[in-house]
Amino acid sequence: EAGVTQSPTHLIKTRGQQATLRCSPISGHTSVYWYQQALGLGLQFLLWYDEGEERNRGNFPPRFSGRQFPNYSSELNVNALELEDSALYLCASSTGQGIGEQFFGPGTRLTVL
Amino acid sequence: GIQVEQSPPDLILQEGANSTLRCNFSDSVNNLQWFHQNPWGQLINLFYIPSGTKQNGRLSATTVATERYSLLYISSSQTTDSGVYFCAVETSGSRLTFGEGTQLTVNP
Repeated sequence: EAGVTQSPTHLIKTRGQQATLRCSPISGHTSVYWYQQALGLGLQFLLWYDEGEERNRGNFPPRFSGRQFPNYSSELNVNALELEDSALYLCASSTGQGIGEQFFGPGTRLTVL
Repeated sequence: GIQVEQSPPDLILQEGANSTLRCNFSDSVNNLQWFHQNPWGQLINLFYIPSGTKQNGRLSATTVATERYSLLYISSSQTTDSGVYFCAVETSGSRLTFGEGTQLTVNP
Protein backbone atom coordinates (compact mmCIF):
# COMPACT_ATOMS: atom_id res chain seq x y z
CA GLU A 1 0.00 0.00 0.00
CA ALA A 2 1.43 3.35 -1.04
CA GLY A 3 1.97 5.90 1.69
CA VAL A 4 1.37 9.63 1.65
CA THR A 5 3.22 11.28 -1.22
CA GLN A 6 4.30 14.90 -1.57
CA SER A 7 5.75 16.96 -4.39
CA PRO A 8 8.07 18.58 -5.04
CA THR A 9 10.77 17.35 -2.67
CA HIS A 10 12.53 20.70 -2.72
CA LEU A 11 11.31 24.12 -3.80
CA ILE A 12 13.32 27.32 -4.02
CA LYS A 13 11.52 30.65 -4.36
CA THR A 14 12.29 34.30 -3.84
CA ARG A 15 10.54 36.72 -1.52
CA GLY A 16 7.14 37.83 -2.77
CA GLN A 17 6.59 34.82 -5.02
CA GLN A 18 3.94 32.14 -4.58
CA ALA A 19 4.61 28.49 -3.75
CA THR A 20 2.35 25.51 -4.41
CA LEU A 21 2.90 22.22 -2.59
CA ARG A 22 1.02 19.04 -3.36
CA CYS A 23 -0.02 15.99 -1.33
CA SER A 24 -1.70 12.69 -2.13
CA PRO A 25 -3.16 10.79 0.84
CA ILE A 26 -3.14 7.09 1.50
CA SER A 27 -5.82 5.34 -0.56
CA GLY A 28 -9.08 5.35 1.37
CA HIS A 29 -8.13 8.31 3.57
CA THR A 30 -10.26 11.42 3.20
CA SER A 31 -8.67 13.73 5.78
CA VAL A 32 -5.52 15.65 4.86
CA TYR A 33 -3.47 17.77 7.25
CA TRP A 34 -0.65 20.24 6.67
CA TYR A 35 2.08 21.01 9.21
CA GLN A 36 5.06 23.37 9.14
CA GLN A 37 8.43 22.56 10.71
CA ALA A 38 10.50 25.73 10.78
CA LEU A 39 13.90 25.95 12.42
CA GLY A 40 13.48 26.85 16.05
CA LEU A 41 9.68 26.74 15.97
CA GLY A 42 8.96 23.04 16.07
CA LEU A 43 6.12 21.29 14.29
CA GLN A 44 3.01 23.44 13.97
CA PHE A 45 -0.44 22.58 12.64
CA LEU A 46 -1.46 24.56 9.55
CA LEU A 47 -4.67 23.21 8.01
CA TRP A 48 -7.07 20.25 8.02
CA TYR A 49 -9.22 19.29 5.04
CA ASP A 50 -11.90 16.63 4.98
CA GLU A 51 -14.33 15.79 2.19
CA GLY A 52 -13.21 18.83 0.23
CA GLU A 53 -13.80 21.35 3.01
CA GLU A 54 -11.42 23.23 5.29
CA ARG A 55 -12.28 21.96 8.78
CA ASN A 56 -9.67 23.59 11.00
CA ARG A 57 -6.90 26.13 10.69
CA GLY A 58 -3.82 26.84 12.79
CA ASN A 59 -2.46 30.22 13.79
CA PHE A 60 -1.13 31.24 10.37
CA PRO A 61 -1.90 34.30 8.22
CA PRO A 62 -4.42 34.11 5.35
CA ARG A 63 -1.66 33.99 2.75
CA PHE A 64 -1.39 30.31 3.72
CA SER A 65 -4.30 28.62 1.99
CA GLY A 66 -5.14 25.39 0.30
CA ARG A 67 -7.76 23.15 -1.11
CA GLN A 68 -8.74 19.52 -1.37
CA PHE A 69 -9.74 17.95 -4.64
CA PRO A 70 -12.49 15.36 -5.29
CA ASN A 71 -9.85 12.59 -5.27
CA TYR A 72 -8.84 13.80 -1.75
CA SER A 73 -5.42 15.07 -2.84
CA SER A 74 -4.55 18.51 -1.57
CA GLU A 75 -2.62 21.65 -2.42
CA LEU A 76 -1.05 24.12 -0.03
CA ASN A 77 -0.50 27.60 -1.44
CA VAL A 78 1.70 30.17 0.20
CA ASN A 79 1.38 33.66 -1.27
CA ALA A 80 3.69 36.66 -0.89
CA LEU A 81 6.50 34.47 0.41
CA GLU A 82 8.60 35.76 3.29
CA LEU A 83 12.04 34.58 4.39
CA GLU A 84 10.56 33.03 7.54
CA ASP A 85 8.35 30.75 5.42
CA SER A 86 11.45 28.65 4.78
CA ALA A 87 10.62 25.33 6.39
CA LEU A 88 9.82 21.68 5.92
CA TYR A 89 6.12 21.29 5.06
CA LEU A 90 4.66 17.95 6.04
CA CYS A 91 1.37 16.51 4.87
CA ALA A 92 -0.49 13.79 6.73
CA SER A 93 -3.65 11.79 6.11
CA SER A 94 -6.11 9.80 8.18
CA THR A 95 -9.45 8.13 7.75
CA GLY A 96 -12.49 10.35 7.47
CA GLN A 97 -13.78 13.04 9.79
CA GLY A 98 -10.36 13.59 11.28
CA ILE A 99 -10.52 10.40 13.25
CA GLY A 100 -7.63 8.09 13.84
CA GLU A 101 -3.92 7.82 13.39
CA GLN A 102 -2.22 10.37 11.16
CA PHE A 103 0.39 9.14 8.67
CA PHE A 104 2.94 11.55 7.25
CA GLY A 105 4.53 12.04 3.87
CA PRO A 106 8.23 12.74 3.25
CA GLY A 107 7.75 16.52 3.18
CA THR A 108 8.56 19.42 0.88
CA ARG A 109 11.50 21.59 1.86
CA LEU A 110 10.74 25.18 0.89
CA THR A 111 13.58 27.69 0.77
CA VAL A 112 12.78 31.37 0.34
CA LEU A 113 15.69 33.54 -0.80
CA GLY B 1 -3.92 25.65 24.28
CA ILE B 2 -2.54 22.32 25.40
CA GLN B 3 1.12 22.11 26.40
CA VAL B 4 3.25 19.08 25.51
CA GLU B 5 6.60 18.65 27.23
CA GLN B 6 9.16 16.01 26.35
CA SER B 7 12.15 14.95 28.38
CA PRO B 8 15.04 14.69 28.20
CA PRO B 9 15.73 17.10 25.32
CA ASP B 10 18.95 15.27 24.47
CA LEU B 11 20.08 11.72 25.19
CA ILE B 12 23.37 10.04 24.31
CA LEU B 13 23.67 6.27 24.67
CA GLN B 14 26.07 3.48 23.89
CA GLU B 15 24.79 0.79 21.57
CA GLY B 16 22.95 -1.87 23.56
CA ALA B 17 21.73 0.45 26.31
CA ASN B 18 18.08 0.96 27.25
CA SER B 19 16.31 4.31 27.48
CA THR B 20 13.02 5.89 28.52
CA LEU B 21 11.59 9.00 26.91
CA ARG B 22 8.79 10.90 28.62
CA CYS B 23 5.91 13.03 27.32
CA ASN B 24 3.76 15.12 29.67
CA PHE B 25 0.62 16.91 28.49
CA SER B 26 -1.43 19.54 30.24
CA ASP B 27 -5.00 18.54 29.41
CA SER B 28 -7.18 15.62 28.37
CA VAL B 29 -6.46 14.32 24.89
CA ASN B 30 -8.33 12.23 22.37
CA ASN B 31 -5.25 10.47 21.08
CA LEU B 32 -1.47 10.35 21.38
CA GLN B 33 1.14 9.35 18.82
CA TRP B 34 4.89 8.75 19.00
CA PHE B 35 7.06 9.41 15.95
CA HIS B 36 10.69 9.01 14.92
CA GLN B 37 11.92 11.68 12.52
CA ASN B 38 14.49 10.26 10.13
CA PRO B 39 17.50 12.27 8.87
CA TRP B 40 15.55 13.29 5.76
CA GLY B 41 12.73 14.77 7.84
CA GLN B 42 10.01 12.18 7.42
CA LEU B 43 7.97 11.30 10.50
CA ILE B 44 7.81 7.56 10.99
CA ASN B 45 4.84 6.30 13.04
CA LEU B 46 5.90 4.34 16.09
CA PHE B 47 2.77 4.11 18.23
CA TYR B 48 -0.82 5.30 18.25
CA ILE B 49 -1.56 4.99 21.95
CA PRO B 50 -4.28 7.09 23.63
CA SER B 51 -4.08 4.77 26.65
CA GLY B 52 -2.55 1.49 27.78
CA THR B 53 0.61 -0.28 26.70
CA LYS B 54 1.81 -1.44 23.29
CA GLN B 55 4.95 -3.18 22.13
CA ASN B 56 6.63 -3.42 18.75
CA GLY B 57 9.92 -5.27 18.76
CA ARG B 58 12.48 -3.41 20.86
CA LEU B 59 10.14 -0.48 21.36
CA SER B 60 7.21 -0.20 23.71
CA ALA B 61 5.01 2.63 24.91
CA THR B 62 2.70 3.29 27.82
CA THR B 63 0.15 6.09 28.15
CA VAL B 64 -1.51 6.88 31.47
CA ALA B 65 -4.20 9.27 30.31
CA THR B 66 -5.56 9.98 33.79
CA GLU B 67 -2.13 11.22 34.88
CA ARG B 68 -1.41 12.92 31.53
CA TYR B 69 1.83 11.29 30.53
CA SER B 70 3.24 8.77 28.11
CA LEU B 71 6.53 6.87 28.09
CA LEU B 72 8.47 5.43 25.17
CA TYR B 73 10.92 2.63 25.99
CA ILE B 74 13.78 1.68 23.68
CA SER B 75 15.65 -1.48 24.61
CA SER B 76 18.99 -2.71 23.28
CA SER B 77 19.46 0.51 21.33
CA GLN B 78 21.11 0.47 17.90
CA THR B 79 22.84 3.23 15.96
CA THR B 80 19.88 3.26 13.58
CA ASP B 81 17.68 4.39 16.49
CA SER B 82 19.40 7.78 16.40
CA GLY B 83 17.24 10.75 15.50
CA VAL B 84 14.52 12.89 16.99
CA TYR B 85 11.56 11.33 18.78
CA PHE B 86 8.34 13.32 18.93
CA CYS B 87 5.25 12.90 21.02
CA ALA B 88 2.06 14.46 19.61
CA VAL B 89 -1.39 14.73 21.12
CA GLU B 90 -4.71 15.27 19.44
CA THR B 91 -7.25 17.52 21.05
CA SER B 92 -10.22 19.23 19.44
CA GLY B 93 -10.32 19.85 15.71
CA SER B 94 -8.19 16.82 14.94
CA ARG B 95 -4.97 18.83 15.07
CA LEU B 96 -1.82 17.25 16.47
CA THR B 97 0.15 19.33 18.97
CA PHE B 98 3.77 18.26 19.08
CA GLY B 99 6.33 18.35 21.84
CA GLU B 100 9.80 19.77 21.22
CA GLY B 101 11.25 16.31 20.73
CA THR B 102 14.06 14.25 22.23
CA GLN B 103 17.29 14.12 20.21
CA LEU B 104 18.67 10.60 20.63
CA THR B 105 22.25 9.73 19.67
CA VAL B 106 23.36 6.10 19.85
CA ASN B 107 27.10 5.62 19.58
CA PRO B 108 28.68 2.36 18.38
